[in-house]
Amino acid sequence: NAGVTQTPKFQVLKTGQSMTLQCAQDMNHEYMSWYRQDPGMGLRLIHYSVGAGITDQGEVPNGYNVSRSTTEDFPLRLLSAAPSQTSVYFCASRNQRDTGELFFGEGSRLTVL
Amino acid sequence: SQQGEEDPQALSIQEGENATMNCSYKTSINNLQWYRQNSGRGLVHLILIRSNEREKHSGRLRVTLDTSKKSSSLLITASRAADTASYFCVGRAGGTSYGKLTFGQGTILTVHP
Repeated sequence: NAGVTQTPKFQVLKTGQSMTLQCAQDMNHEYMSWYRQDPGMGLRLIHYSVGAGITDQGEVPNGYNVSRSTTEDFPLRLLSAAPSQTSVYFCASRNQRDTGELFFGEGSRLTVL
Repeated sequence: SQQGEEDPQALSIQEGENATMNCSYKTSINNLQWYRQNSGRGLVHLILIRSNEREKHSGRLRVTLDTSKKSSSLLITASRAADTASYFCVGRAGGTSYGKLTFGQGTILTVHP
């Protein structure tokens, strides 16, 4: 089992560019989510999804879009990158009917110049 | 949302000593989970304690939960240099809440050889 796979691991963007962070899981988890982690801020929830076709906002959704067309994939889109979006992004998933243990990817480090 | 706030922010000990980290949360929970994050990696689930449990053990880990005080503690006994990591707690509400799981800033544990 690969678990939760995030790509790319590193990315450098210029202000105003767009990109998509990919997240895929092979555990048939209904719940998937995106967090960003900044020094001194802990992990903050951006968006989450409880199943295909269903998404909702977390704490810090502005500047990010998500969609969930399949159970396996939950991409995070930055339409117009800003320096404030420089961060490490983590995707996490869990079985909705389980105890709630989250499985995390290894992270994607994004720098916006 | 369910939240965890860890205390202290940083803890430095010698190998072989015990490490205790505390967690507080704001809303009623169904369970509370602890996670570990090694530098540059994703979070890994350590242990889960349910609201009807007061103490739980897993190897060198001991977790306590006091729902009246909305607090939990994580004890790592006989610490090793490999335990050096950040530790996070998060409480999850039950019922139909799909869980906007939000994490605190974590406790940075450094274990000196």
